[in-house]
Amino acid sequence: NAGVTQTPKFQVLKTGQSMTLQCAQDMNHEYMSWYRQDPGMGLRLIHYSVGAGITDQGEVPNGYNVSRSTTEDFPLRLLSAAPSQTSVYFCASSYGDKYYEQYFGPGTRLTVT
Amino acid sequence: AQTVTQSQPEMSVQEAETVTLSCTYDTSENNYYLFWYKQPPSRQMILVIRQEAYKQQNATENRFSVNFQKAAKSFSLKISDSQLGDTAMYFCAFTGYNNNDMRFGAGTRLTVKP
Repeated sequence: NAGVTQTPKFQVLKTGQSMTLQCAQDMNHEYMSWYRQDPGMGLRLIHYSVGAGITDQGEVPNGYNVSRSTTEDFPLRLLSAAPSQTSVYFCASSYGDKYYEQYFGPGTRLTVT
Repeated sequence: AQTVTQSQPEMSVQEAETVTLSCTYDTSENNYYLFWYKQPPSRQMILVIRQEAYKQQNATENRFSVNFQKAAKSFSLKISDSQLGDTAMYFCAFTGYNNNDMRFGAGTRLTVKP
């Protein structure tokens, strides 16, 4: 199994540009989530999904959209990039109930200039 | 809203010694889960240990154990026989039983010295 994969690993955007961060898992996990990690602030939940067709907002959803058309994929869209969205983004998945271990992807480092 | 506080930004310990990382949280819920995650320099997040709030017995995983004090809303991590490979950022995390939101603390950077 590849586990949780994220692409790209690094990205530089100009203010106002849009892009999609890709996330895929091959473990048939129902629960998937996106976090951002900023220095001194730990991880903050952006959006999550408990299954195909079901998404919900986390702690910091503004400026981001998600969709879950398949169990495997959970892309994160930045609609109009802002410097405040410069961060490291992690995708994670888990078997089902949130008690279970979350498996994290390797992260995407995004810089918005 | 739930909050998680890690009051020690950085700690260090000598190899083979014991170290305790602190975590406190704030919640009005009675049922919830607590976690410790490790993030080494590779940036990969790895689950270290987890605790269900309704269980009074403290969780242990090999050299890692927790001291869960529900009334005090405290969840500390003890690492025994510290190894160089334990050098990493450690994050405490909380999720309520009836919701899917997960909150992380700001992290503690642990350095194990030879």
